[in-house]
Amino acid sequence: QVTLKESGPVLVKPTETLTLTCTVSGFSLSNARMGVSWIRQPPGKALEWLAHIFSNDEKSYSTSLKSRLTISKDTSKSQVVLTMTNMDPVDTATYYCATPSSSWGFDYWGQGTLVTVSS
Amino acid sequence: QSALTQPASVSGSPGQSITISCTGTSSDVGSYNLVSWYQQHPGKAPKLMIYEGSKRPSGVSNRFSGSKSGNTASLTISGLQAEDEADYYCCSYAGSSTFGFGGGTKLTVL
Repeated sequence: QVTLKESGPVLVKPTETLTLTCTVSGFSLSNARMGVSWIRQPPGKALEWLAHIFSNDEKSYSTSLKSRLTISKDTSKSQVVLTMTNMDPVDTATYYCATPSSSWGFDYWGQGTLVTVSS
Repeated sequence: QSALTQPASVSGSPGQSITISCTGTSSDVGSYNLVSWYQQHPGKAPKLMIYEGSKRPSGVSNRFSGSKSGNTASLTISGLQAEDEADYYCCSYAGSSTFGFGGGTKLTVL
């Protein structure tokens, strides 16, 4: 059974760096599925894809946020980590991790974690 | 990755059919048969309803169907039911392992 769970701070201050962790179970980050993406959703707004990491450690990033994002994984801990620098109130959102099937449909999602950026 | 364009809202009565469009460009929707659709109820994580443009995951009702023409993908829900009321998002592969989501469509079942 595939599950994903996000964890991280509930509140960060402007200009700080956000670090989020996605802990997965039911599959291995080293050789199964198509990797893991981070996707966010500001309150009342649309989903926005942020970054993806494959089992071979290849990474891809949203063009608009690439300079602020870093995605990495710790296979031994079954964790995918997203860091976002220079946080701003507009980055307030629920952050989800999700894993796609081989057909690039995100069929498993975490519950999401709400991060508020405020001083 | 540019945001895909969806209507902000659609509505229909129980039993009717509705269609939600998702317009992209020749760099995403038009180039790949990798459009997926998600249903999201308030406070919940999105749920995959359609992948590869027209395929349904196991467990998704056959009242949900997807199609594509040129740079526009569509989600059709037939036999509307009250529980279909939700937000719907399209997503397209945009090359180089990147993705774009649509702005979302709020479906109201009258």
